[in-house]
Amino acid sequence: AQSVSQHNHHVILSEAASLELGCNYSYGGTVNLFWYVQYPGQHLQLLLKYFSGDPLVKGIKGFEAEFIKSKFSFNLRKPSVQWSDTAEYFCAVNDRFSGGYNKLIFGAGTRLAVHP
Amino acid sequence: DSGVTQTPKHLITATGQRVTLRCSPRSGDLSVYWYQQSLDQGLQFLIHYYNGEERAKGNILERFSAQQFPDLHSELNLSSLELGDSALYFCASSADRGTNTEAFFGQGTRLTVV
Repeated sequence: AQSVSQHNHHVILSEAASLELGCNYSYGGTVNLFWYVQYPGQHLQLLLKYFSGDPLVKGIKGFEAEFIKSKFSFNLRKPSVQWSDTAEYFCAVNDRFSGGYNKLIFGAGTRLAVHP
Repeated sequence: DSGVTQTPKHLITATGQRVTLRCSPRSGDLSVYWYQQSLDQGLQFLIHYYNGEERAKGNILERFSAQQFPDLHSELNLSSLELGDSALYFCASSADRGTNTEAFFGQGTRLTVV
């Protein structure tokens, strides 16, 4: 069965620090990869996604992620975080051929707190 | 605002009861996905409907059922409720056509079973 691991459950950073959130998945087939963000009290929003092509994906709000197939990883990065990035971040995968583009397997999430 | 509407926002009910959660997708989206978010299980896919037909099932209990109506809104029915069913239930909608596959999530319904 597919699974997604997010290594850090809680991350605390100061503003302007760099961010990297780890995500590893276990699945041998062809996957689509996603990062979602959930700001306090709000709905999940898509940050970025990888389907194919350039493994370095740029998303909204200055976030990017790199797909490394050999490591089954899809880590999220941002060079300089802001207080407004305080949120919970979810990595997700789906089986490209299992039907349903958004039948997603989510990681446990990483809570990011950014201090001014 | 994602354009996906879920009602009610909060629901408190007793064990053994039955509740119905409603999801109105974004205009034009044919797909509705239901997810459960709980402290111990995280975010889990429950079920997917596309244009009225069930397309995929995930970790959905037999006590739970869903349907999608001709106007494309969807309902998730939870019966014989147990304390462990307390969770946040999200729906997401998507066009699922061509390259238009992004899912838009609603704000969720927080269910508390007492």
